[in-house]
Amino acid sequence: DTAVSQTPKYLVTQMGNDKSIKCEQNLGHDTMYWYKQDSKKFLKIMFSYNNKELIINETVPNRFSPKSPDKAHLNLHINSLELGDSAVYFCASSQRRTGRLGTFGSGTRLTVV
Amino acid sequence: SQQGEEDPQALSIQEGENATMNCSYKTSINNLQWYRQNSGRGLVHLILIRSNEREKHSGRLRVTLDTSKKSSSLLITASRAADTASYFCATDDYAGGTSYGKLTFGQGTILTVHP
Repeated sequence: DTAVSQTPKYLVTQMGNDKSIKCEQNLGHDTMYWYKQDSKKFLKIMFSYNNKELIINETVPNRFSPKSPDKAHLNLHINSLELGDSAVYFCASSQRRTGRLGTFGSGTRLTVV
Repeated sequence: SQQGEEDPQALSIQEGENATMNCSYKTSINNLQWYRQNSGRGLVHLILIRSNEREKHSGRLRVTLDTSKKSSSLLITASRAADTASYFCATDDYAGGTSYGKLTFGQGTILTVHP
């Protein structure tokens, strides 16, 4: 069973559309994250939730809205998609006290055309 | 601003050789971590070294940290074709507390190990 699973794996959509990426972890971790990796492989944190509470919210356009219905799920909704949103989005989870990113999902490659 | 910067950007070696990757950073840190990313996959945590440690080992991995130079190195000994991946350093620069995983990554070193 996959520890951190995110869907879809690939997403191709037109500018202006609204899309969601889902993430689920079955590790019992208390913290979940969304990271964005651009075309140059540069990885940057977007959001982090601990026990459903938003604890990290980096400078991200408000078109991006995370939602955590419970501590095992962290979804990412993106409104009015732009070309610059094309990237690979990674979900990750960890136990807060360890200070390290425990487990990553395999990524969602978003292409906006 | 980008914190960890890896050097070299790409490294190509033969199986059995050692691979050394370097990372420089700019601010004070709690710890520095190294991750591996296989093509098309998420990151895998390799090793964490705290700011008061100078060297750490894990299997064929050896990490050093020089806080005076704000640099770290990752050495992979006796490399294998399966070590082919991108390697990233990441800094936890949340002074005095827990970063909750807010790490700052560099752009990585692409390592290719030829069989």
